[in-house]
Amino acid sequence: GENVEQHPSTLSVQEGDSAVIKCTYSDSASNYFPWYKQELGKRPQLIIDIRSNVGEKKDQRIAVTLNKTAKHFSLHITETQPEDSAVYFCAARLPGGYQKVTFGTGTKLQVIP
Amino acid sequence: GAVVSQHPSWVICKSGTSVKIECRSLDFQATTMFWYRQFPKQSLMLMATSNEGSKATYEQGVEKDKFLINHASLTLSTLTVTSAHPEDSSFYICSAPGLAMATDTQYFGPGTRLTVL
Repeated sequence: GENVEQHPSTLSVQEGDSAVIKCTYSDSASNYFPWYKQELGKRPQLIIDIRSNVGEKKDQRIAVTLNKTAKHFSLHITETQPEDSAVYFCAARLPGGYQKVTFGTGTKLQVIP
Repeated sequence: GAVVSQHPSWVICKSGTSVKIECRSLDFQATTMFWYRQFPKQSLMLMATSNEGSKATYEQGVEKDKFLINHASLTLSTLTVTSAHPEDSSFYICSAPGLAMATDTQYFGPGTRLTVL
């Protein structure tokens, strides 16, 4: 099965700075990589995703990059705001089946005002 | 957009009792639903894949006789934690893939906080 590693586990940045979270996956067949933001006691919310046929995707202050050769993908948040503080999870999905995803271990992001 | 609900949102029970958690897709049909368990400060761990009209598929290490899953209709899956113990206390979240709507998105329920005393 798929295995996803995520770093760092915690990240503190000053408001306005950028934050980068990195993930690696084990199965080169994975073809879909979503990123979720989860606030305490809430459900995960999809913030951005990327398919394996794309190298980069951007949505306002959030971007994701994918390096299929290295099996790495990263989340970039620019101009961070206090409301960006949450736990972020990357995930990877193998093709076929029922769209089952494997989650990374999570990164707790703290944006300091 | 697609909505998934869970009931109850939280439950407290005594050790040894059973607890049933419902997961409903409100405005779409879900032949498949996923059940996750999330311990404090940890990631979501997939417990099982629930399939409408057939047996659930459990992940390695998850006791199928302890975590009973029933997916009797296209909009409802239930997870029953049998003979619950304090170590079963956790946040249980269901999700439904957007297969029926030709989307990659997974739709998560709001979660159920289970506390076993």
